[in-house]
Amino acid sequence: DVKVTQSSRYLVKRTGEKVFLECVQDMDHENMFWYRQDPGLGLRLIYFSYDVKMKEKGDIPEGYSVSREKKERFSLILESASTNQTSMYLCASSGGEWGNEQFFGPGTRLTVL
Amino acid sequence: GESVGLHLPTLSVQEGDNSIINCAYSNSASDYFIWYKQESGKGPQFIIDIRSNMDKRQGQRVTVLLNKTVKHLSLQIAATQPGDSAVYFCAGIPTGTASKLTFGTGTRLQVTL
Repeated sequence: DVKVTQSSRYLVKRTGEKVFLECVQDMDHENMFWYRQDPGLGLRLIYFSYDVKMKEKGDIPEGYSVSREKKERFSLILESASTNQTSMYLCASSGGEWGNEQFFGPGTRLTVL
Repeated sequence: GESVGLHLPTLSVQEGDNSIINCAYSNSASDYFIWYKQESGKGPQFIIDIRSNMDKRQGQRVTVLLNKTVKHLSLQIAATQPGDSAVYFCAGIPTGTASKLTFGTGTRLQVTL
């Protein structure tokens, strides 16, 4: 059974803290993605990666950075968390038959106080 | 750029009836579309996909129809069941953007008994 796991389901941090969200996939997928999901806005792409050590900005990269040192792991970093980064964060990976179906993790609900 | 949206934020359907969830997109040069289902507290799950060279694709109890003339996509669920209650997203990949999906805002399907 294919799996995308995220390090935490719920996280509470304070303004200004550095936050790491980890994502691991066991499908040997080339592509990995980080989204945030907010009510009424759907899923918005923050960053994605096509290969190890490669990264591309998505639609809303400001305030975030990413790291992909190994193929199976993609980390999202909030250098200095702010209250407007309170959200649900979803990680996904792809590399299927058409190379496009994305498999999602369960999400991390981050609250920044 | 690509814009993908959904027609209704909420759809209420009686158990056993067929459901039709609609989606419009703006970029006629889109290669590929996916429908995702997201249950409460979980990440989105793939339901069915369709390439732009197809008009229709069928899965188990689900059918996706693509009308490129009016840039419209629909998901039909036959004999809707309580377990179908979820938020449904359509997502598209514009030509030339590899695996980068653009998501709509979602329709919440409520199945009444």
